Amino acid sequence: DAGITQSPRHKVTETGTPVTLRCHQTENHRYMYWYRQDPGHGLRLIHYSYGVKDTDKGEVSDGYSVSRSKTEDFLLTLESATSSQTSVYFCAARDLGNTIYFGEGSWLTVV
Amino acid sequence: KNQVEQSPQSLIILEGKNCTLQCNYTVSPFSNLRWYKQDTGRGPVSLTIMTFSENTKSNGRYTATLDADTKQSSLHITASQLSDSASYICVVSAQSGAGSYQLTFGKGTKLSVIP
Repeated sequence: DAGITQSPRHKVTETGTPVTLRCHQTENHRYMYWYRQDPGHGLRLIHYSYGVKDTDKGEVSDGYSVSRSKTEDFLLTLESATSSQTSVYFCAARDLGNTIYFGEGSWLTVV
Repeated sequence: KNQVEQSPQSLIILEGKNCTLQCNYTVSPFSNLRWYKQDTGRGPVSLTIMTFSENTKSNGRYTATLDADTKQSSLHITASQLSDSASYICVVSAQSGAGSYQLTFGKGTKLSVIP
């Protein structure tokens, strides 16, 4: 258990509004990730971080931004939510043994 | 393009029976292969991780095998229990730089164990 908590766990928002999802870890892992999971797709990487203030894009980064001002927190922001961003979002962290631990997910519905 | 294909997409078995899930991959350069279990409404949880040199790894009633030559892996579940009902996800890692890895996820096999 890497002590990963996500908030909020569920959110309904309107198209065009900004949304921020928070991921918090307690194990001081360097690498953190944001994925989205949709029916018919495997988990897809949105953004990842390899340290404080060090982030990079994943395969589906358009419409998303991230920030990591502290080791323990990794924020995912949807600048202007669209219906195509309705999804389940998972945060993850990687330990030194390369095991990846996932949070419990954040269910986002954009109406 | 790196790809991971899992089969079957879904599977229903009787409690107490064994089953085997398959994973074929085209990922390069291969670093390791992981199996995850994802309960409905929860995040994935790691079952096993295998490197190139490992042929088999067990975690309780779960046994994963890896054939790096044919780029195939299987997850065998022995004496299934109702709690094994979940999606099982195969994830293959490719090293993309110093300390950096690219993960390719399969779409998962949805297993239902019925009494």
